[in-house]
Amino acid sequence: SQQGEEDPQALSIQEGENATMNCSYKTSINNLQWYRQNSGRGLVHLILIRSNEREKHSGRLRVTLDTSKKSSSLLITASRAADTASYFCATAFNYQLIWGAGTKLIIKP
Amino acid sequence: DVKVTQSSRYLVKRTGEKVFLECVQDMDHENMFWYRQDPGLGLRLIYFSYDVKMKEKGDIPEGYSVSREKKERFSLILESASTNQTSMYLCASSLWDRVVGANVLTFGAGSRLTVL
Repeated sequence: SQQGEEDPQALSIQEGENATMNCSYKTSINNLQWYRQNSGRGLVHLILIRSNEREKHSGRLRVTLDTSKKSSSLLITASRAADTASYFCATAFNYQLIWGAGTKLIIKP
Repeated sequence: DVKVTQSSRYLVKRTGEKVFLECVQDMDHENMFWYRQDPGLGLRLIYFSYDVKMKEKGDIPEGYSVSREKKERFSLILESASTNQTSMYLCASSLWDRVVGANVLTFGAGSRLTVL
């Protein structure tokens, strides 16, 4: 069952700009995770934020979580061509992860 | 250092054929998962396993079966392939992180199956 919904579905920006992707979900969660998928490949875990956290950083990534609005955002600062990929949020309650359909990010040189 | 290995990157099979997709992980993870990924639908869970010889149905198990005879290996079986099973299949493994209280998945590179 699909819970997370990413917004926008696709995003195209210039290299060096910041990219923001949003994820909304419907039910209670223990944590929310973001993954990246390069074209035709498997997914790679980027960052996890727990339900009692509001913001988390990892390198050029910044994730926020608003449990009252049931939403999260992923910010990639100073984007690079290598950031071109699809980004997925996954919400977790107990053992299971439920996935959104993803945001396709294209970084133009 | 490849940690989750899927045996085939691309397969082309005929309708009605039996298809085996193999997945091996070298991280001693307890949990293993099979997903299929289709455009616009995200990842949908087919089956998962929390232990050897143990399996649980996911959201879309119809037309699939799995086998986990050894901890490191989780196989997905399509008993009689159909064209609507043309998809990208992703295997993943995880260890329950008690500190964080989460399953963080490590994925294989994927197997793209085309059924003609």
